[in-house]
Amino acid sequence: GNSVTQMEGPVTLSEEAFLTINCTYTATGYPSLFWYVQYPGEGLQLLLKATKADDKGSNKGFEATYRKETTSFHLEKGSVQVSDSAVYFCALISQGAQKLVFGQGTRLTINP
Amino acid sequence: DVKVTQSSRYLVKRTGEKVFLECVQDMDHENMFWYRQDPGLGLRLIYFSYDVKMKEKGDIPEGYSVSREKKERFSLILESASTNQTSMYLCASSFHSPRTQYFGPGTRLTVL
Repeated sequence: GNSVTQMEGPVTLSEEAFLTINCTYTATGYPSLFWYVQYPGEGLQLLLKATKADDKGSNKGFEATYRKETTSFHLEKGSVQVSDSAVYFCALISQGAQKLVFGQGTRLTINP
Repeated sequence: DVKVTQSSRYLVKRTGEKVFLECVQDMDHENMFWYRQDPGLGLRLIYFSYDVKMKEKGDIPEGYSVSREKKERFSLILESASTNQTSMYLCASSFHSPRTQYFGPGTRLTVL
C-alpha cells in the first residue's frame, strides 16, 4: 500500500541553521506530494505541494522537490527562525484517490 | 482564503455522553474529512464524505458516526463517549480536483 516515511524527530537547531527534513514515499503511479506544518495548539496548514515529477514547491523560504527517481520530497530551508518551531508532516495523495496518507510528523525546535 | 471552522477549540465531556463535533467550510468543497491526532500515532482518518449524504469509513471508524446534510457542514458524532476517545480532532475539506486538503484549527476533546 501507499506510505510516507519521515526522518524521526525531534530535531533541534540553532537560529539561522540550514534545515533538511527527509521524506520518502511508496506509491503506485504519480502521487501528489505535500508538506503541512502544525504550530503549537493549532491545526495543520498547507506549507507547499508538488503534483508531478521535478516540480519544486516553495513557500515562506521552504522548498521541496518531487524526485521520482528517489521517491523523495525532502523539505529544506536555508536559514531557520525561532518562529519555524512546529511539527512538519509529509503527505501524499495517490492517483485517483481522495485521501491523504501522512508521515508520522517531525517536531522541529529552533533555539535563539 | 479557504476557511474551515470547527465548533469548539476545547471540549470536556463525561463518559457515556453523546458528543457532536461540527465542521463548516466556506469554499464549496465536495470532500470533507475527520481525523484524530494522537501523540506517536500521527493523524488517522475516521470518516470522509465526497458529497452530501455520502460517507465512507476511514481507518478507525469504530465508535464514531458522521452526518453530512449540507455541502458546507460535516458533523462527527460520538454516540457514547469513552475515555479512549480523548484526542485532538481535525476536520479538513478539499475539491475533487485539485485535491489539496485544508484543515480547521482542531478540537481538543477530553472525556472524563
